Amino acid sequence: DQQVKQNSPSLSVQEGRISILNCDYTNSMFDYFLWYKKYPAEGPTFLISISSIKDKNEDGRFTVFLNKSAKHLSLHIVPSQPGDSAVYFCAASDGNTPLVFGKGTRLSVIA
Amino acid sequence: KAGVTQTPRYLIKTRGQQVTLSCSPISGHRSVSWYQQTPGQGLQFLFEYFSETQRNKGNFPGRFSGRQFSNSRSEMNVSTLELGDSALYLCASSSQASGANVLTFGAGSRLTVL
Repeated sequence: DQQVKQNSPSLSVQEGRISILNCDYTNSMFDYFLWYKKYPAEGPTFLISISSIKDKNEDGRFTVFLNKSAKHLSLHIVPSQPGDSAVYFCAASDGNTPLVFGKGTRLSVIA
Repeated sequence: KAGVTQTPRYLIKTRGQQVTLSCSPISGHRSVSWYQQTPGQGLQFLFEYFSETQRNKGNFPGRFSGRQFSNSRSEMNVSTLELGDSALYLCASSSQASGANVLTFGAGSRLTVL
């Protein structure tokens, strides 16, 4: 049973436009969500997080939105840059158990 | 501050062999988690150690085991290797036990089983 789902394996966006990466979860106990970015031959690096008491968190070009009723979160990257091309993982936790990761979405930003 | 260090970075084994992977967490971090990444499966949780105790274990067979030493360094072992064990094994550390914490990952150990 996949508790964290990233239904788009890949996404292609033009440089300068907005990238929107989506993530759905099934466990209503999840209350902490993170996004990680992974380049080839490197480990995932933390990007941004949000707790369930908020519905939006912003850090520079990156904004995460959380819709608890829909059990959905999204990561917006504006404007997208070629260096943003990577695999993005959504992860969730209920505060007590290990992070559960989605399968990832490969973002390609085309110059 | 040094990051999470994993060794070896790459290794090739044959079926039936066993392998040991090592992880040195960020200084001061007492929690070490291990994840397996395979194409199309994302990151699957293997186990977590905190202060030398296994706190959580993922849904992997008993061939996968691990331990943590008093200096927080951790090792994981896979015995009787199968072709399907070919994967990137990622270690991550955090200052506190699992939950609402940011994990800092190492670069991984890529295992190929022939």
